[in-house]
Amino acid sequence: QKEVEQDPGPLSVPEGAIVSLNCTYSNSAFQYFMWYRQYSRKGPELLMYTYSSGNKEDGRFTAQVDKSSKYISLFIRDSQPSDSATYLCAMIYSGGGADGLTFGKGTHLIIQP
Amino acid sequence: GAVVSQHPSRVICKSGTSVKIECRSLDFQATTMFWYRQFPKQSLMLMATSNEGSKATYEQGVEKDKFLINHASLTLSTLTVTSAHPEDSSFYICSARDRTGSFTGELFFGEGSRLTVL
Repeated sequence: QKEVEQDPGPLSVPEGAIVSLNCTYSNSAFQYFMWYRQYSRKGPELLMYTYSSGNKEDGRFTAQVDKSSKYISLFIRDSQPSDSATYLCAMIYSGGGADGLTFGKGTHLIIQP
Repeated sequence: GAVVSQHPSRVICKSGTSVKIECRSLDFQATTMFWYRQFPKQSLMLMATSNEGSKATYEQGVEKDKFLINHASLTLSTLTVTSAHPEDSSFYICSARDRTGSFTGELFFGEGSRLTVL
């Protein structure tokens, strides 16, 4: 079983729809959870991060973490064509220091105009 | 935000030759840089962690003699793919952590380098 599972998609939704992206993980040592966005042929960029169970909101984006279920989500409200990208969840151990992040496969999201 | 420059963005080489990819942090100092490999529709696979002034730490299954990593300064790390073969063709991405950053999970990524070995 991989440490982080993420459905690669593609996920195609109409403009304006609410998008739900999800990841599950198996290692309870993960304590920081991140969402990176990667446009085609570009490097990923950090979108949001959180470390506690619950919701964190930033504009149209909401990150949700449920540590008891080892499940994290990213919600995008009022989706726009410019949101079309690959979204990767990432996790790191507490005190991860010099260690790299563990990434999900990424979900390819397409917002149809 | 912080900028990481990766060069070249695209390289094509013949089998058996060596290719060097550079990763530079332009406006911050990075004591730690990471090298990833990404196949189509696959996750970023960490290859190695590069610390300035010391030997890189390689992930299990990554040949350190094939993928040479040098991190000679706080702003530059290089990855050299030696004796490249077609199976080494991939998208290589570097990332860096700002030594003054408050969140260890924030990495700044380069644009990636697409290597094609003929």
